[in-house]
Amino acid sequence: GEDVEQSLFLSVREGDSSVINCTYTDSSSTYLYWYKQEPGAGLQLLTYIFSNMDMKQDQRLTVLLNKKDKHLSLRIADTQTGDSAIYFCAADNTDKLIFGTGTRLQVFP
Amino acid sequence: GAVVSQHPSWVICKSGTSVKIECRSLDFQATTMFWYRQFPKQSLMLMATSNEGSKATYEQGVEKDKFLINHASLTLSTLTVTSAHPEDSSFYICSAGPQGSPLHFGNGTRLTVT
Repeated sequence: GEDVEQSLFLSVREGDSSVINCTYTDSSSTYLYWYKQEPGAGLQLLTYIFSNMDMKQDQRLTVLLNKKDKHLSLRIADTQTGDSAIYFCAADNTDKLIFGTGTRLQVFP
Repeated sequence: GAVVSQHPSWVICKSGTSVKIECRSLDFQATTMFWYRQFPKQSLMLMATSNEGSKATYEQGVEKDKFLINHASLTLSTLTVTSAHPEDSSFYICSAGPQGSPLHFGNGTRLTVT
């Protein structure tokens, strides 16, 4: 089955860019997603990319997809303290979403 | 955009009782909804796929008699944790989305069984 992996932790200074990486195994995934989870809350859909695209930009967020290497990344420009959260990438697999382990982003002043 | 509402947001119950969690799609119809469970500091694990008008599809290792799912309408799925025990304490999240669109998640239900 699909396996999705992420690095567990990222620490950046406020104002810098953050890059969160994700790898997946099932090349048939149609959509790949990034979700944000703040403490005690549900998941907020940040952005998603269709598998035939290699880049998508949405304000401070840039998603890059390397389908050949099955690698997905999320870049957050001008990272703010409010961006501190856990970020999950997810790949669809026959209508189900398979989640990565989550990356905890910590932003320090 | 698509909105998924989950209720209650938290619940505390005694061991042996049953708890029902509701998941509603507010501005779209959902023939399929998904129930996830999240343990502290861990990722989301898919428990089951809720299918409107038919039986839910459970993932391997999930007890269907323990976690009863009912999807009686196109906008409502319920998850009932039967005879809850402390090990069932967890964060339960549902998700759904309009057909062909990304999935959106409810805000989750934190269940604590004492």
